[in-house]
Amino acid sequence: QQQVKQSPQSLIVQKGGISIINCAYENTAFDYFPWYQQFPGKGPALLIAIRPDVSEKKEGRFTISFNKSAKQFSLHIMDSQPGDSATYFCAASMGTGRRALTFGSGTRLQVQP
Amino acid sequence: DTGVSQNPRHKITKRGQNVTFRCDPISEHNRLYWYRQTLGQGPEFLTYFQNEAQLEKSRLLSDRFSAERPKGSFSTLEIQRTEQGDSAMYLCASSPSPGTGDSPLHFGNGTRLTVT
Repeated sequence: QQQVKQSPQSLIVQKGGISIINCAYENTAFDYFPWYQQFPGKGPALLIAIRPDVSEKKEGRFTISFNKSAKQFSLHIMDSQPGDSATYFCAASMGTGRRALTFGSGTRLQVQP
Repeated sequence: DTGVSQNPRHKITKRGQNVTFRCDPISEHNRLYWYRQTLGQGPEFLTYFQNEAQLEKSRLLSDRFSAERPKGSFSTLEIQRTEQGDSAMYLCASSPSPGTGDSPLHFGNGTRLTVT
């Protein structure tokens, strides 16, 4: 019930294209859904996050879409750039008293020039 | 650099040896987390501290693992009698206390452990 399922495992997109990564969760107690970006040899870095009271959040070229009834959320990267090539992880946590994140298995994104 | 600092960056040890990793969180952050990440997988939660108190431990944290955070500042993660299955990246993260917005986790660059 704690699992967060992420797809696809890898993604190749042309420069300027849209990258879409999807996640699904089971635990309806989750109330915080962040996306992290990780470059090789580095720790994950927070990219954007959403709470279930909104259906979409946009920050620059990055947008989270959230579907509470389907228990799914996705990351859209508009105008993808070679510098976006990294591994992306969705995550979820519950409650304000703890912030132990449950991560998805990751999507390796390659943006080709 | 005021980010989360982890040392060493790499550690190679022989099976059966003990190892200890250190994490220095962002100074004003009360919460400190340890995660483990294996190749091609997302980070898995191990344990977390609120100041010096260890509030939660994952079932992944066997009795060979112990974590401390004396005085609520830096933290150490010790693995005793290492096994080859312990080979992974060990990530530390810190965050402000709850009540300060979403309290995002800030990760260090990890310690990569290789057990031969």
